[in-house]
Amino acid sequence: DSGVTQTPKHLITATGQRVTLRCSPRSGDLSVYWYQQSLDQGLQFLIQYYNGEERAKGNILERFSAQQFPDLHSELNLSSLELGDSALYFCASSSGTGANTGELFFGEGSRLTVL
Amino acid sequence: QQQVKQSPQSLIVQKGGISIINCAYENTAFDYFPWYQQFPGKGPALLIAIRPDVSEKKEGRFTISFNKSAKQFSLHIMDSQPGDSATYFCAASKVPARQLTFGSGTQLTVLP
Repeated sequence: DSGVTQTPKHLITATGQRVTLRCSPRSGDLSVYWYQQSLDQGLQFLIQYYNGEERAKGNILERFSAQQFPDLHSELNLSSLELGDSALYFCASSSGTGANTGELFFGEGSRLTVL
Repeated sequence: QQQVKQSPQSLIVQKGGISIINCAYENTAFDYFPWYQQFPGKGPALLIAIRPDVSEKKEGRFTISFNKSAKQFSLHIMDSQPGDSATYFCAASKVPARQLTFGSGTQLTVLP
């Protein structure tokens, strides 16, 4: 158990809809990362938050947005969903952006199916 | 732009054999190279990692070999076991940023 909790584990929705994925990082971790895992694109970095502030953006679509709340949990919002958005969405956390081990701890993911 | 290339896509080895997975990177600013192991239905978990100031790191049956001049690194799994059957991802990042760039993954199957 990595200590990172993601909900829901599975989500089925229709095209055009909006969903919210939730992540609770490990206790004490300030950084949260979101990754998308699909068969054709592998693990793609979407966005990083550190202590409530956006720190880095990767291949995140404009239809997607995220935020990190004062209690450090994070939400990834996916809107105007398309079939191609079907994927596993992982949240990961780390202690911070200091120069230490660099390990990311991943949750078990939220599997999104868009029909 | 794929910055970390991983091969092979799949690998089948016999129990007790050596599994070797290779990765090559393009961005010379990368200075942290981890390997993650992922079992079905689970998130990736750190297996072993290396910084570019060493050429090899060993932890139990798992060894990373790193060639800075060639911009390549590899994972060797000695005495492979059926329980090692999983998908392995190499990755790279610039500490302290830690936004990992992952390779495409290698599905390892160890036959009993």
